[in-house]
Amino acid sequence: DVVMTQTPPSLSVAIGQSVSISCKSSQSLVYSDGKTYLHWLLQSPGQSPKLLIYQVSNLGSGVPDRFSGTGSQKDFTLKISRVEAEDLGVYYCVQATHFPLTFGSGTKLEIK
Amino acid sequence: QIQLVQSGPELKKPGESVKISCKASGYTFTDYAMHWVKQAPGKGLKWMGWINTYTGKPTYADDFKGRFVFSLEASASTANLQISNLKNEDTATYFCARWAGKDWYFDFWGPGTMVTVSS
Repeated sequence: DVVMTQTPPSLSVAIGQSVSISCKSSQSLVYSDGKTYLHWLLQSPGQSPKLLIYQVSNLGSGVPDRFSGTGSQKDFTLKISRVEAEDLGVYYCVQATHFPLTFGSGTKLEIK
Repeated sequence: QIQLVQSGPELKKPGESVKISCKASGYTFTDYAMHWVKQAPGKGLKWMGWINTYTGKPTYADDFKGRFVFSLEASASTANLQISNLKNEDTATYFCARWAGKDWYFDFWGPGTMVTVSS
């Protein structure tokens, strides 16, 4: 199985700051069609996960452009510019290139 | 609007069975696959597998072969997850999640169903 390593496990940031979360995979996530099926989710407290970014850098529907994703092959980053209170929760990366799908262990974002 | 509505919380004893439902609305049910994801209390997300809502064919991750069954009631736009011979480690919230076709990501999630297994 592809292992997804997320760092840091937790972050505490002030409103308005920017943060980055790293996600590294044990194998390249480039599929035979040339696409990279690496996505980012946010699970707000008590809620189900919600899509933020799909295929490395594409914003999900309704997701503010404060969120951005970059990366390639095995190394990916989620950046949140100008953190807002509603951004608190646990962020997960997930790969869908290889069976079985696997998630990162999550990064908990707290607001100072 | 697109919605996935899951059945309510369950309290079961070890060895019993449970069936969780996920009713879809706002789109053509058979056009999108449905996935299932497990989240143990205080833990991360684990992919269980998926079901082709057009053919009814299920695919299971290795850890979920044997006691877990994905099924459909297509006429009711509902996907089901049945777990038999429940164990304490099955205590978790189970999410259904719609698969966004060719782009290969989860675009909508159900609210989750909490299953507690305790004697």
